[in-house]
Amino acid sequence: EIVLTQSPGTLSLSPGEGATLSCRTSQSISSSYLAWYQQKPGQAPRLLISGASIRAAGIPDRFSASGYGTDFTLTISRLEPEDFAVYYCQQYGNSPRYSFGQGTKLEI
Amino acid sequence: QVQLHQWGAGLLKPSETLSLTCAVSGDSLSGYYWNWIRQSPGKGLEWIGEITLRGSTNYNPSLRSRVTISVDTTYNQFSLKLSSVTAADTAVYYCARVDIPSFDFWGQGSRVTVSS
Repeated sequence: EIVLTQSPGTLSLSPGEGATLSCRTSQSISSSYLAWYQQKPGQAPRLLISGASIRAAGIPDRFSASGYGTDFTLTISRLEPEDFAVYYCQQYGNSPRYSFGQGTKLEI
Repeated sequence: QVQLHQWGAGLLKPSETLSLTCAVSGDSLSGYYWNWIRQSPGKGLEWIGEITLRGSTNYNPSLRSRVTISVDTTYNQFSLKLSSVTAADTAVYYCARVDIPSFDFWGQGSRVTVSS
């Protein structure tokens, strides 16, 4: 079973700063099969980036992602107040068919 | 715009069967996998299973023995049944569409509590 480990658990930053969130997989996966989500309290997760680097519709270009193999990164440049939330990575393909990291909380 | 609206019982007793339904509007069920995912403080986001329009299913091995996902093409909806629930099944349950590899549209979530 593939395990996704996100770090840090909590990231404390200020609006205007940049954020770098990490997702490490226990097995190598294709970058095409890695996605990132944002979740705010009381809401469902919202797709940010799919296929490791393709932004979903309506997602601003301050969100970007990269990585390959077992190490993947979500970068948020110039944090806006609405960016403070929990972020999850997700993989497709390995048993189980989909799995998620435990999340990184981005707080002010 | 695709919208998913879900409903079902929110309070169950141990050993009962959880039942949730998700109605899809703005698109047909054709061409995608339709999924159930749950979220609990202890286990985070956990994929439960998925189904296609034709009824082809995939389940998380950890839940396979208790899960049934079905589709109703007449009403453009799909459903989840999870049998023999325990307190460990207490979670917020989401329905979602997969456009491989990611979940692009989600339901609003249903809070399910299992308590005697």
